[in-house]
Amino acid sequence: QSVLTQPPSVSGAPGQRVTISCTGSSSNIGAGYDVHWYQQLPGTAPKLLIYGNSNRPSGVPDRFSGSKSGTSASLAITGLQAEDEADYYCQSYDSSLSRVFGGGTKLTVL
Amino acid sequence: EVQLVESGGGLVKPGGSLRLSCAASGFTFSSYSMNWVRQAPGKGLEWVSSISSSSSYIYYADSVKGRFTISRDNAKNSLYLQMNSLRAEDTAVYYCARDIVSGGGGRSGGYYMDVWGKGTTVTVSS
Repeated sequence: QSVLTQPPSVSGAPGQRVTISCTGSSSNIGAGYDVHWYQQLPGTAPKLLIYGNSNRPSGVPDRFSGSKSGTSASLAITGLQAEDEADYYCQSYDSSLSRVFGGGTKLTVL
Repeated sequence: EVQLVESGGGLVKPGGSLRLSCAASGFTFSSYSMNWVRQAPGKGLEWVSSISSSSSYIYYADSVKGRFTISRDNAKNSLYLQMNSLRAEDTAVYYCARDIVSGGGGRSGGYYMDVWGKGTTVTVSS
């Protein structure tokens, strides 16, 4: 059971917009800690996608955006492309002094 | 190029031990906290342990506390994970990842991981 809750799967057609939610609690996201997102393509290591709730590292397309409100956060992907098919994980920090991850969301491009 | 390369994985019997290594290059290793994160087959990411730049602060997930020990050698630009009393549920790909403080301007936003290695596979089975 992951500390942060994500939907197991989402899907969308090429060109569409999809969102992935990440729900935490008052000891992590709700405590003011930032949310970060990672993309894991099949058979590869995770890659940082969004940091500090809404910031993109260099090289990440602006089709990817993040937001945070209260005890939840969201990752939005616009102009969906076949290459976006991957697993996506949210991550935050918890007052128990641990880094915490969501269970992951598998994005399928139809 | 900033790079992390894990090694030391393999097949070990339940109750056995294994030591993982992570070699860092392309950045000033001694300036960064580091993490171990694992991923069981077909499962999600699980944070395992963190160590501060000077080894002053060390943290573990409850699932490994008392069995795993994280350490580092800044002179060798290396991170380690000593794993004892291994169980079948420790079977996973183990990644090392660089730690970055989030937030700024006096606000503590927690931490995130900006660079990841390719991982090393640990299989615990009789």
